[in-house]
Amino acid sequence: GAVVSQHPSRVICKSGTSVKIECRSLDFQATTMFWYRQFPKQSLMLMATSNEGSKATYEQGVEKDKFLINHASLTLSTLTVTSAHPEDSSFYICSALRAADTQYFGPGTRLTVL
Amino acid sequence: KQEVTQIPAALSVPEGENLVLNCSFTDSAIYNLQWFRQDPGKGLTSLLLIQSSQREQTSGRLNASLDKSSGRSTLYIAASQPGDSATYLCAAQGGSEKLVFGKGTKLTVNP
Repeated sequence: GAVVSQHPSRVICKSGTSVKIECRSLDFQATTMFWYRQFPKQSLMLMATSNEGSKATYEQGVEKDKFLINHASLTLSTLTVTSAHPEDSSFYICSALRAADTQYFGPGTRLTVL
Repeated sequence: KQEVTQIPAALSVPEGENLVLNCSFTDSAIYNLQWFRQDPGKGLTSLLLIQSSQREQTSGRLNASLDKSSGRSTLYIAASQPGDSATYLCAAQGGSEKLVFGKGTKLTVNP
């Protein structure tokens, strides 16, 4: 089956620092990847759609200058949380689109901002 | 705007019981409906995907149904086991390939 990895799985940082999260499709190429955020006891909320070789498309209410997305290759998308604050603490999950309608999800990254 | 609701939010059952999880969506113009499992602090495991033209899908002890006209889907788990304990999420996919998730049902199967 298709495998998507995320790195790191867990990160703790100080307020004001930037954190980069990687999402990789290990055994298939993905022109489209998605980034989600999940707060405790809440649903996954789509943050942005990452397209290889072009700018990401952000959902309403998501600050594109705060959450920088780079999809530089067909197997890698990165999410950088800039100047992180405690309210950015969350579980971030990526997915990679393999076929027309099948997303494969990564294991998630737990971000804690102190 | 698509909204997905899951009922109940939590469910606790004894081992061996059959159970049904419910999912409803407001916009019936969906491409497919998916059910996922999420263990605490983990990512998502895809369980079943029902295309909009299908009525149900089965995998082992799991059966998912879809009624587009009424905006409902159910996940039936037969002969539940403690290992089935997890949060179950349903998600509706529209034509833009975006998934809209419900908040999930937290299932606990007691030995």
